[in-house]
Amino acid sequence: EVQLVESGGGLVQPGGSLRLSCAASGFTFRTYGMNWVRQAPGKGLEWVSYISGSSNNMHYADSVKGRFTISRDNAKNSLYLQMNSLRDDDTAVYFCARDLMGPTIYYGLDVWGQGTTVTVSS
Amino acid sequence: EVVLTQSPATLSLSPGQRATLACRASQSVSTSLAWYQQKPGQAPRLLIYDASARATGIPPRFTGRGSGTDFTLTINSLEPEDSAVYYCQHRSSWPPITFGQGTRLQIK
Repeated sequence: EVQLVESGGGLVQPGGSLRLSCAASGFTFRTYGMNWVRQAPGKGLEWVSYISGSSNNMHYADSVKGRFTISRDNAKNSLYLQMNSLRDDDTAVYFCARDLMGPTIYYGLDVWGQGTTVTVSS
Repeated sequence: EVVLTQSPATLSLSPGQRATLACRASQSVSTSLAWYQQKPGQAPRLLIYDASARATGIPPRFTGRGSGTDFTLTINSLEPEDSAVYYCQHRSSWPPITFGQGTRLQIK
C-alpha cells in the first residue's frame, strides 16, 4: 500500500525548533519530488517547501525561507522538515505530499500523509 | 507568480443537483492544474490532474475542464458525502505549488 506517515509535531514556544518526519512506503521514493504543505486552523492550504527526488532542487515559500530546511534520505525512504525560529503563525497541520511532474503532464499531489500538528505558543 | 482565484466561496445545493466550481488563473497555466477535495479532519484527496484527467478511483461524476486561465470542476448527481472544501492547484517552476483559496460545497 502506498503510504506517507508524518510525525514530529507538537507544542513549541516561539523561537523554538522542531523537526518533522515523513515516512514513505509502497513506492519507489527516490523517483518522486516531495512537498510539505500546511494548513493553519480554519484556513486554506499553503505550500511550504519542495525537494526533488535526488535532492538537487529545493524551494521554499517566502514565509519560511531562511527558517525551514527540507531534506530527504532516500535510503530510509524519509522526508524531513527542520523548522527553526518558529513563530505563532507557523501553527498549522503539516502534510507531506508526493508530487510527479512528467515531461508534458502534471500528475498532481496524488499521495498525502494524514498530517502532524504543530502548535507554536508560549 | 500565478494567482488562482476560486469562485464561489461557498455553494449550497441539494442532493441530486449539479455543482460547478470555477478556478481562474492570473496568467495562462496551460493544463497544469489539479483539483482536490478536503473533508474536515482529513488530508486533501486528488480528484483531477492535468485539468481534466480523473485520478485513480474518482467516479465519473467528477469532471474537470479548461485550459489557459479558466477551469471548472463539475460534480453531477450530488451526494451528501460530496460536502467538502475543494481546492484548485497549479504546478510551476516557481513557486512549485500554488493553491486557490478554496470553495466550500454544502449539500443539504
